[in-house]
Amino acid sequence: DIQMTQSPSSLSASVRDRVTITCRASQSISNYLNWYQQKAGKAPKLLIYAASSLQSGVPSRFSGSGSGTDFTLTISSLQPEDFATYYCQQSYKIPRTFGQGTKVEI
Amino acid sequence: QLQLQESGPGLVKPSETLSLTCSVSGGSMSSSSYYWGWIRQPPGKGLEWIGTVYYTGTTYYNPSLKGRVGISVDTSKKYFSLRLSSVTAADTAVYYCARQSVVIDAIFLGDWSDPWGQGTLVTVSS
Repeated sequence: DIQMTQSPSSLSASVRDRVTITCRASQSISNYLNWYQQKAGKAPKLLIYAASSLQSGVPSRFSGSGSGTDFTLTISSLQPEDFATYYCQQSYKIPRTFGQGTKVEI
Repeated sequence: QLQLQESGPGLVKPSETLSLTCSVSGGSMSSSSYYWGWIRQPPGKGLEWIGTVYYTGTTYYNPSLKGRVGISVDTSKKYFSLRLSSVTAADTAVYYCARQSVVIDAIFLGDWSDPWGQGTLVTVSS
């Protein structure tokens, strides 16, 4: 299986901070990398697909980059509604696998 | 707007079979651009991909489930189903269904999941 490793596992930040979360794959996955946001008690929500494509309706302060094994999710100016857990997921090989999550706290 | 809704028993006994259904509304299930998948999340833990089905019935599963899993689709009735046999406490989780979009029609590669159902908690306990 392809292992997805996120860092950090958690972070504390303030409103208007720039936040960066990284995701590393155990082998090259081209740009087949998605990012999801999950709030407590809710289903995950797609933010970014294909490493850098912003899902319709998602604010432009979210952006993704990377290819191969190293990827980044950036929130340019953290808003109160962005406090949540973020997951990366590869869609290159079966089984699809997720990172362990990064919890963004106040 | 496409919506998905999981349904099924919230409590299953050990060694029995877990059966869930995902009802799809607001769109067709027969498009060549989508697969239909199941993902689960044990309480307080991360996400695990279970498997997916195409409208033709083609399926892909997580090998970690060791042949216990089956996913089927009924496009006319607009639902797809999950069956997981011989369950143990380790199968206790919130189960989500989701539409999985693909880059190239029918090819399960480069997919992303959106939208998701709200999830349903299944507890395995006697």
